[in-house]
Amino acid sequence: AQSVTQPDIHITVSEGASLELRCNYSYGATPYLFWYVQSPGQGLQLLLKYFSGDTLVQGIKGFEAEFKRSQSSFNLRKPSVHWSDAAEYFCAVVHDYKLSFGAGTTVTVRA
Amino acid sequence: ETGVTQTPRHLVMGMTNKKSLKCEQHLGHNAMYWYKQSAKKPLELMFVYNFKEQTENNSVPSRFSPECPNSSHLFLHLHTLQPEDSALYLCASSQERVRKRGWPDTQYFGPGTRLTVL
Repeated sequence: AQSVTQPDIHITVSEGASLELRCNYSYGATPYLFWYVQSPGQGLQLLLKYFSGDTLVQGIKGFEAEFKRSQSSFNLRKPSVHWSDAAEYFCAVVHDYKLSFGAGTTVTVRA
Repeated sequence: ETGVTQTPRHLVMGMTNKKSLKCEQHLGHNAMYWYKQSAKKPLELMFVYNFKEQTENNSVPSRFSPECPNSSHLFLHLHTLQPEDSALYLCASSQERVRKRGWPDTQYFGPGTRLTVL
């Protein structure tokens, strides 16, 4: 069965520090992968997506993600975190044209 | 308004009430989705409509009844809900369910309706 795992439930990072959020998926074929962000009281906003091609994907708000087939991973990174990046982040993978989401990682940014 | 809007943003209802959630997309999309987001659980897909036709019902109890009168509007009618139905209900839309070249289409989400069932 298709599944998405986000191993970290909660991450705290200092403003200006780098951030990496992990995502692992289980799927046999080439996956279609997404990262979404959800700020408090808001819906999900698309950060970036990977369908094919270059395995390093650039997104909005200074985020990037790297697809590594050998590790079944699609980790999200940001070199320097801003206080406004405090939110919940969801990795998602498409199977049979349906999005399967991970349980999310909550990011807290301290001053 | 732009994007995907949902009303109401918050709803409190008793188990015997009947209420409806509304979603409207202003993106010219043809596919619309209902998701349920419960605390500490992954988002669960509930229903999918493509060109006003329901193409997915993910084993959702009959106390949830969707309606899609046109490609821009999606409703979720609620009746005799249970307290465990309390959650954030998210609507999303995409250009189509599946792109002609076979790639899945990107979904855009509304802000959600926070539902509390007493």
